[in-house]
Amino acid sequence: AQTVTQSQPEMSVQEAETVTLSCTYDTSESDYYLFWYKQPPSRQMILVIRQEAYKQQNATENRFSVNFQKAAKSFSLKISDSQLGDAAMYFCAYRTNYGGATNKLIFGTGTLLAVQP
Amino acid sequence: DTGVSQDPRHKITKRGQNVTFRCDPISEHNRLYWYRQTLGQGPEFLTYFQNEAQLEKSRLLSDRFSAERPKGSFSTLEIQRTEQGDSAMYLCASSLDSQAEQYFGPGTRLTVT
Repeated sequence: AQTVTQSQPEMSVQEAETVTLSCTYDTSESDYYLFWYKQPPSRQMILVIRQEAYKQQNATENRFSVNFQKAAKSFSLKISDSQLGDAAMYFCAYRTNYGGATNKLIFGTGTLLAVQP
Repeated sequence: DTGVSQDPRHKITKRGQNVTFRCDPISEHNRLYWYRQTLGQGPEFLTYFQNEAQLEKSRLLSDRFSAERPKGSFSTLEIQRTEQGDSAMYLCASSLDSQAEQYFGPGTRLTVT
């Protein structure tokens, strides 16, 4: 069974600085997706960024980028130029890409990011 | 496209009562998922529909839980004889076959007293 581990329960960053959130996962599959979702307090979960396992190039979305190390099964999220609105719980998630599968998301336990003004 | 909606947003009930939650997915999305999120944890998969067919149920979904998706549109999740351990946020998500990502609703927070 696949598992996702986020070893940093809480992180803090100064506004305008850069922070990296860690995620490791375990799978025997070779074709899958990885995601970072953001869940602000009392608000719904939104997708931040996704990575397809067969793509070697790391995904980037504006100030958000990932460091995907497939062999090490590591998938970290870097937030550059942190803003107050980035404060939220961040979840790393895994999804198989095998045809016919449910494609359910498997989540880590989350990292609570605080942004200090 | 108004996004995924869920109703109610909050529900307080007494132990032993039945509750029902509704999820309206994004209109053209054929896949619908229910997850449960307890405090300090990531969401955990409960069940999955492709159109109107319920194709997978987690072991977390005891026989007190039932979900439906009539006509492949909205879905309902019913919990019978609620227990305090059922207190959680119940999240609904939807997607298309062609999409990797799932889009989440705001959730229904259930408190069982």
